[in-house]
Amino acid sequence: EAGVAQSPRYKIIEKRQSVAFWCNPISGHATLYWYQQILGQGPKLLIQFQNNGVVDDSQLPKDRFSAERLKGVDSTLKIQPAKLEDSAVYLCASSFRNWADTQYFGPGTRLTVL
Amino acid sequence: TQLLEQSPQFLSIQEGENLTVYCNSSSVFSSLQWYRQEPGEGPVLLVTVVTGGEVKKLKRLTFQFGDARKDSSLHITAAQPGDTGLYLCAGWGFGNEKLTFGTGTRLTIIP
Repeated sequence: EAGVAQSPRYKIIEKRQSVAFWCNPISGHATLYWYQQILGQGPKLLIQFQNNGVVDDSQLPKDRFSAERLKGVDSTLKIQPAKLEDSAVYLCASSFRNWADTQYFGPGTRLTVL
Repeated sequence: TQLLEQSPQFLSIQEGENLTVYCNSSSVFSSLQWYRQEPGEGPVLLVTVVTGGEVKKLKRLTFQFGDARKDSSLHITAAQPGDTGLYLCAGWGFGNEKLTFGTGTRLTIIP
């Protein structure tokens, strides 16, 4: 069974530029999560989708971050404009039905903002 | 806000030694999980503990959930180089569907 796929794996941009990350969850998984992991810290949930509806986006900086999950499958996370403090690894995870099921994580996208 | 503090933050020991990593909070959690994350990869679930006082064993790893459901520990017996990685605890509060991760313990086992 294929795992959670993410691309790109690495991205370097300058501050004030825009960037987008893509995630393809495990086939059949209804719930998708985006986490931000700053170096030396644990992951922090940014947004949680169940199918194509948002369950929780309370920690998403909505003035610059946006995410969508069209058709309840793939998802994109966008940052516009990026700040230096956005440098982090962005992890995507999915679970079969809802928050109570095991989360499976992708390898992440490492973003460096210069 | 529910916070999970892990200690130590860094740990480097010789192969064959034993170690314990701690995860503490002032909040009560309905359940706690432990993950291991290797460089360039996402976290991988090791175990979930759901009952206060529960102890689970996974080969050389022993996980315990505190009686008051506010803390947990991970004990590794006879550590091996393959145990090297970032260990993360994570938990759900009661009525909270958002998984909160701890600060992490970076473990290095020296051959």
